[in-house]
Amino acid sequence: GIQVEQSPPDLILQEGANSTLRCNFSDSVNNLQWFHQNPWGQLINLFYIPSGTKQNGRLSATTVATERYSLLYISSSQTTDSGVYFCAVEPRGGYQKVTFGIGTKLQVIP
Amino acid sequence: GAVVSQHPSRVICKSGTSVKIECRSLDFQATTMFWYRQFPKKSLMLMATSNEGSKATYEQGVEKDKFLINHASLTLSTLTVTSAHPEDSSFYICSARDPGQVEKLFFGSGTQLSVL
Repeated sequence: GIQVEQSPPDLILQEGANSTLRCNFSDSVNNLQWFHQNPWGQLINLFYIPSGTKQNGRLSATTVATERYSLLYISSSQTTDSGVYFCAVEPRGGYQKVTFGIGTKLQVIP
Repeated sequence: GAVVSQHPSRVICKSGTSVKIECRSLDFQATTMFWYRQFPKKSLMLMATSNEGSKATYEQGVEKDKFLINHASLTLSTLTVTSAHPEDSSFYICSARDPGQVEKLFFGSGTQLSVL
């Protein structure tokens, strides 16, 4: 099946700093989503981005489908950004099983 | 956006008992829902796909008799952990697709199961 690798696995930031999270995937995809899991376990969809670039406030994401990677940018980080960020992909060929990466655990300190 | 409600958020039970977790789509109808399991500090692993009006499709290695899934209506899927054991303790999360936004997965808030 498709492989999803995320880096870095852990990240500690000072409040106000910027960061880039990376997701590499091993095959062509229909869909790619970025999620944030807060400290209470809830998963929030951040971006649906199988290709191109999107921005939502301090967050933006870029997926280069031909090179099989996606980047999530967090600017001016806040303590509320802490949690785990997951990349999830769905292989090309229809709406099939979604595979999650192992996540990047982000801690933003005041 | 679409809302998926999961209940309960936390449950503690004795070994040998059964626990039911509910997953509801509040503002859309979901013919398919998904159940995931997450171990501490690990990623989400798909357990099964719940299909309205038919049997669930289980992933390899998931015991269908242990994890009973029922999708009796277009807005409700339930996961029952039967004869729970401490090794079943985990975080369980459901998800569903809104037919109007089929490319996106929407998740419930999860259920932390602790089996004593």
